[in-house]
Amino acid sequence: ETGVTQTPRHLVMGMTNKKSLKCEQHLGHNAMYWYKQSAKKPLELMFVYNFKEQTENNSVPSRFSPECPNSSHLFLHLHTLQPEDSALYLCASSQGELGNTEAFFGQGTRLTVV
Amino acid sequence: DAKTTQPPSMDCAEGRAANLPCNHSTISGNEYVYWYRQIHSQGPQYIIHGLKNNETNEMASLIITEDRKSSTLILPHATLRDTAVYYCIVRVAFMNYGGSQGNLIFGKGTKLSVKP
Repeated sequence: ETGVTQTPRHLVMGMTNKKSLKCEQHLGHNAMYWYKQSAKKPLELMFVYNFKEQTENNSVPSRFSPECPNSSHLFLHLHTLQPEDSALYLCASSQGELGNTEAFFGQGTRLTVV
Repeated sequence: DAKTTQPPSMDCAEGRAANLPCNHSTISGNEYVYWYRQIHSQGPQYIIHGLKNNETNEMASLIITEDRKSSTLILPHATLRDTAVYYCIVRVAFMNYGGSQGNLIFGKGTKLSVKP
């Protein structure tokens, strides 16, 4: 248990569906992250939020839409996804974006797009 | 892109020390060395980090060379539960707000297999 909780743990969705992934942390952290991990590929950083402000968008397609309503919650809204978007989506949080702070990861949401 | 180079895989006998190397020859003076591991299908887990000095905690030891161009993660008594992919990451220590160099960028890591 890392203190970062992701729901749901597994999600199957059709290409025309709209769904949302949720991440919650009560560690008092002010930076939150979304990562994508496709099969046999390294983790890819998607979005970074610091104090609820988006500070990084790593050329992610617009069918992925993040939302950070407060420092404890992070959402990833999904719509019209493609089968190649099937992956493990990981959320993380840290006290700050920088150096001397460790990041805590959730267990991830295993997404399958059919 | 990841700024580190690691061997793709290593084996270690249970109960022996596992020494995982990492090259980071382009590391800057303001960058930390971080180690994470990921057990199959779980989220990455923080292990240890350091700037210049060697570090030790309850999980592992981190040895950083004097020129800081490489480091070694040491698991002193590996167990079967230590089988995982181990990631070595460099990450900036201090910078202006809003920059991206503080982000954790993962490479392919080293797949450590601990065998009975």
